[in-house]
Amino acid sequence: AQSVTQPDIHITVSEGASLELRCNYSYGATPYLFWYVQSPGQGLQLLLKYFSGDTLVQGIKGFEAEFKRSQSSFNLRKPSVHWSDAAEYFCAVGARGGSYIPTFGRGTSLIVHP
Amino acid sequence: DSGVTQTPKHLITATGQRVTLRCSPRSGDLSVYWYQQSLDQGLQFLIHYYNGEERAKGNILERFSAQQFPDLHSELNLSSLELGDSALYFCASSVAETNYGYTFGSGTRLTVV
Repeated sequence: AQSVTQPDIHITVSEGASLELRCNYSYGATPYLFWYVQSPGQGLQLLLKYFSGDTLVQGIKGFEAEFKRSQSSFNLRKPSVHWSDAAEYFCAVGARGGSYIPTFGRGTSLIVHP
Repeated sequence: DSGVTQTPKHLITATGQRVTLRCSPRSGDLSVYWYQQSLDQGLQFLIHYYNGEERAKGNILERFSAQQFPDLHSELNLSSLELGDSALYFCASSVAETNYGYTFGSGTRLTVV
């Protein structure tokens, strides 16, 4: 079964600074990979996903993520953070075939200082 | 508005009671997934329905059950409620039978007192 780790429970950045949120997964083959964002009191919103092809994936709200097979990672990045990006971010990994239900990480809480 | 509608938004009930949570998927989506989110367990998959049929079960207690109706809306029934069932319950939908990215509703916050 697949598993996913988000090593950072909280990340604090200043507005305008760059951001990288870490995600490491465990799976025997190339997985499906997702990043979701959850604002307070809201459901999760899909930011981006990787299935195959180009390992650098562009998403909504200016986010991107890079799949690195050698490091089993799928880190989320943004060049310049806005105060409205403060939220909880979840990485998820899904299997190809078989148990397709994705496993979610525990989340990283992003705090943005003005 | 994601297009996935969950009602009610908040629910407060006593231990031992039974509640029903409702979800209407985004227009055109045939799959409905139910998740439970709590501080100690994170986001836990409960059950998946596709076009009215159960497709996958996760960590769903025997006290919990769900169904998807012909109009594709789904209901999650929680019975013999315990304090530990207090959580956010999310419904998500997708067009395909397998997952290529969900659209989540805004959730139902259940508080058991």
